[in-house]
Formats: sequence, C-alpha cells, structure tokens
Amino acid sequence: GDSVTQMEGPVTLSEEAFLTINCTYTATGYPSLFWYVQYPGEGLQLLLKATKADDKGSNKGFEATYRKETTSFHLEKGSVQVSDSAVYFCALSDPDRGSTLGRLYFGRGTQLTVWP
Amino acid sequence: NAGVMQNPRHLVRRRGQEARLRCSPMKGHSHVYWYRQLPEEGLKFMVYLQKENIIDESGMPKERFSAEFPKEGPSILRIQQVVRGDSAAYFCASVGLAGETQYFGPGTRLLVL
Repeated sequence: GDSVTQMEGPVTLSEEAFLTINCTYTATGYPSLFWYVQYPGEGLQLLLKATKADDKGSNKGFEATYRKETTSFHLEKGSVQVSDSAVYFCALSDPDRGSTLGRLYFGRGTQLTVWP
Repeated sequence: NAGVMQNPRHLVRRRGQEARLRCSPMKGHSHVYWYRQLPEEGLKFMVYLQKENIIDESGMPKERFSAEFPKEGPSILRIQQVVRGDSAAYFCASVGLAGETQYFGPGTRLLVL
C-alpha cells in the first residue's frame, strides 16, 4: 500500500547551515507529493508540493524535487534560520486509490531545531 | 478570509466521558478530512466527509468513534466512552473539490485522564 518514510529526527543545525530532510515513498499510482510544516501548538501548513515527476516545489527558500526513479522527495534549504525550527512532514496523495481522492499519507515527521 | 477553524483547541476528559470535536471548513469548502496524530507519530487518516455524506471512514476505529458533516454547521467528530489511548491531537482539513490541496485547522488536543 501507500506509505511515506522520512528521515528520523531530531535534526539540530546552526543558523545558515544547509538542510536536507530525506523522504521516500511507496505508491500504487502517480501520487502528488507534499511537505507540510507544523510550528509548536499549531496545525499543519502546506510548505510546497509537486504533482508529477521531475517537478520542483519551492517556497520560502525550501525546495524539493519529485524523483520518480528513486521514489524520493527530499526537502532542502541552503541556509536555515532560527524561525525554521518546526516539525516537517512529508506526505503523498494517491489519486488512484479508490474513492478517497486526496487522502494524505504522512511520514512520522522530522523535528528541526536551528540554533543562532 | 478565515481559515479552517477547530474547537475546542484543548479538551480534557475523564475515562468513560464523551468528546465532541468541531471543525468549520474554509468558506466555500464542502469536503472535510479528519486525521489523528498520536504522540511522536505522523498524522493518520480517519474519515472523509462531504456535506451530509460519509465518503470513506476506513480509518475510523470500529467502535466509539463517529463523524458527521451536516448541511448546516460544522463537522463533528464524536468519541464515546473515551479511553487513555484516545489522547492525541485531532486535525481536520478542508478542500473545495476532492483531490485539491488540503488546508488544515489548528487541531484539538484531547487529553483523557
């Protein structure tokens, strides 16, 4: 079945360091892929998405490229800030999965802490 | 342009009580998804509803849990006879049309004593 595996955390970085959070997926169809961010005590906010192979999603300096050959959607940012400290979730939506269009499958989340 | 609203934000119940969680989707959205986030885990799908219709409840526990989305008013997730294992954060998300990007509410954090 559909599933998402993402890098275990926590990840601790200094400000301006390079960030990579790995995400791989398993899906029966051609899923859309997402990264969501959750700040403490808040709900999930969509960070970026990609809907087909080789698409690159980007937002607020974060990027992720949909790699069908490696079934991956790794999140990257060239220079993190303290304000990026949050939990990051990789997710997929598989439109071929029966009637529940848009149902999201989430990874376990990766806690990122950025120190000044 | 209000986003998805959930209330209460925090809910404390004793074992055996009922919990009612409410979700008001974004204006113009008619589809709601409920997810549960257990400690240290990702979100797990529970149920998908349209107005007055349950589309998929395959993620709902077989007993004690129910959901509705009436023609008027918010979507309700109801947990009867709560147990400690029900302690979690419950999120709803809404979309305008199935398959579009989901917008999440801030969640209800349920604690069962």
